[in-house]
Amino acid sequence: EAQVTQNPRYLITVTGKKLTVTCSQNMNHEYMSWYRQDPGLGLRQIYYSMNVEVTDKGDVPEGYKVSRKEKRNFPLILESPSPNQTSLYFCASSFLLGGFATEAFFGQGTRLTVV
Amino acid sequence: AQKVTQAQTEISVVEKEDVTLDCVYETRDTTYYLFWYKQPPSGELVFLIRRNSFDEQNEISGRYSWNFQKSTSSFNFTITASQVVDSAVYFCALSEARQGAQKLVFGQGTRLTINP
Repeated sequence: EAQVTQNPRYLITVTGKKLTVTCSQNMNHEYMSWYRQDPGLGLRQIYYSMNVEVTDKGDVPEGYKVSRKEKRNFPLILESPSPNQTSLYFCASSFLLGGFATEAFFGQGTRLTVV
Repeated sequence: AQKVTQAQTEISVVEKEDVTLDCVYETRDTTYYLFWYKQPPSGELVFLIRRNSFDEQNEISGRYSWNFQKSTSSFNFTITASQVVDSAVYFCALSEARQGAQKLVFGQGTRLTINP
């Protein structure tokens, strides 16, 4: 089954404790990205990757890191989480069509609470 | 600058009414893609439609239809004879390529409530 898998689904952590949210896709998509969803703000792109070892900042990259060592995986790293990073996070993947990301397949979401 | 604007934060209608969700986008590119996604109360994001900038034909899929007008930079979504199961948050999104970078930008979303 084609899917994007994020883990964990729910996470409560304390300020400053490093954490990683994993994301894996089995569709051989080139393009992967991370979003955070906050009330009234829609989905905002954190980082994206157009292929292995190619990553770039989205609109809200501060406080986040990513890596793309393998095509299927795109983990999101919070080195020192803060309460303002409490949010619902989505990972997504897409094919690139003529250089453009096509429709995104989304993971189930990770609800992160930083206390 | 806001790239995708969904001015309607919340809409509430009675079942069987028609409802239109507005989406206005901003881009300097001539080639781009537009999308609509649905997020039901369960939280997942469901792809509904993709439209490229060279295809201005309107599309109909069952009770759903989309009206793409480049002249007004709009990509509106209409649900005909709405049903309670249509209750969800709907997102419009723009995919554009700039200087080799490819970005997918979402609007703020419109929360649609269909009342029985």
